[in-house]
Amino acid sequence: GQNIDQPTEMTATEGAIVQINCTYQTSGFNGLFWYQQHAGEAPTFLSYNVLDGLEEKGRFSSFLSRSKGYSYLLLKELQMKDSASYLCAVRDSYSGAGSYQLTFGKGTKLSVIP
Amino acid sequence: DAGVIQSPRHEVTEMGQEVTLRCKPISGHDYLFWYRQTMMRGLELLIYFNNNVPIDDSGMPEDRFSAKMPNASFSTLKIQPSEPRDSAVYFCASSLAPDLRIYEQYFGPGTRLTVT
Repeated sequence: GQNIDQPTEMTATEGAIVQINCTYQTSGFNGLFWYQQHAGEAPTFLSYNVLDGLEEKGRFSSFLSRSKGYSYLLLKELQMKDSASYLCAVRDSYSGAGSYQLTFGKGTKLSVIP
Repeated sequence: DAGVIQSPRHEVTEMGQEVTLRCKPISGHDYLFWYRQTMMRGLELLIYFNNNVPIDDSGMPEDRFSAKMPNASFSTLKIQPSEPRDSAVYFCASSLAPDLRIYEQYFGPGTRLTVT
């Protein structure tokens, strides 16, 4: 099974940097995803890590440490439109027999204030 | 591509009624997923299909829930009979086969179900 933990809520100021942490305990691992979900909308893909280290994509970066079962999402130069929930999700091992699923954390609601 | 399409977008029904949610995945995607999202439990996987075949339905809460995928471009999630605790947003998502690649899941807009 999978157990994924992330903070429930965070608040940060426009223009600042915020780091959203995610820890996981899983029976299998084949990648970690971050999704963004604005209120009343569907989750949309932000980033993916399968190897240790940092992946950068514009203002967003994501880090993974597989040995520690730890990831974070870093948002720089925060904008008001970044106010949303951020979901951490772990993909289990791909068996080749069609087995493939994501287990999501409950999400971190980020509020960006002026 | 139009993305994942779900209908209806909103459904209000009375307890005991049958509810059918519909999904059209992105053309060419091998996998289709049904999720349920609530404040208390977050986003939960209910069932997923690979090439129209159900692979894992262990997330389906009980026998009142059933899902079908008669062809590559259509899936339904049915609740019969519905109960107030089924009130949630139901998302459908699709993706290509992941093997060793990213192939993220693309989510539809969701169906907000309210059972009174």
